[in-house]
Amino acid sequence: DAKTTQPPSMDCAEGRAANLPCNHSTISGNEYVYWYRQIHSQGPQYIIHGLKNNETNEMASLIITEDRKSSTLILPHATLRDTAVYYCIVRVAEDAGNNRKLIWGLGTSLAVNP
Amino acid sequence: DSGVTQTPKHLITATGQRVTLRCSPRSGDLSVYWYQQSLDQGLQFLIQYYNGEERAKGNILERFSAQQFPDLHSELNLSSLELGDSALYFCASSVSLTGGASYNEQFFGPGTRLTVL
Repeated sequence: DAKTTQPPSMDCAEGRAANLPCNHSTISGNEYVYWYRQIHSQGPQYIIHGLKNNETNEMASLIITEDRKSSTLILPHATLRDTAVYYCIVRVAEDAGNNRKLIWGLGTSLAVNP
Repeated sequence: DSGVTQTPKHLITATGQRVTLRCSPRSGDLSVYWYQQSLDQGLQFLIQYYNGEERAKGNILERFSAQQFPDLHSELNLSSLELGDSALYFCASSVSLTGGASYNEQFFGPGTRLTVL
């Protein structure tokens, strides 16, 4: 089962910031939060990840609350091409060998409107 | 272009049949992951291979199997196909088993759309 909760859909005006929330209240201390997006049945694309500190790259910013129970992905100036399903994922330890698998929920369907 | 290739792009077959999906990871990536995405569903992790060995298993049916070959390409075999197996099947690759201490970006291929009639 997914360990994250996201709103099923959101709208954003083109050129404005898109703020996508994610709850991960059961996250463990050494688990990272990853964000991916999937544009209309294409393969998902990595966006950003973080542990405790806020992170920024050329695509987005990730804000993680101090208690790490939630985070927000920020697309500073959304464009029509940012219309996609955005997945917030918590990395789970598979076994003592530190194997990893990402558990995917249903994500947030972001519609950027002109 | 992620560097991960998958063939075929589309596959239409009948119930009860068997098919093989193929994946070539990015150059240098040792880990390969398989995912299933049914219509309007999130991605379901099926299985992971690392350098030829199975390393993690998800919700993979017994009718499904996979392997990773010495040249690191991988194949997903689906047998006794049912209507409910119709889905997009994605392959992803990453540099290492865990990406070092923390980082494990997965690069996804374009997917194979399987339709079972």
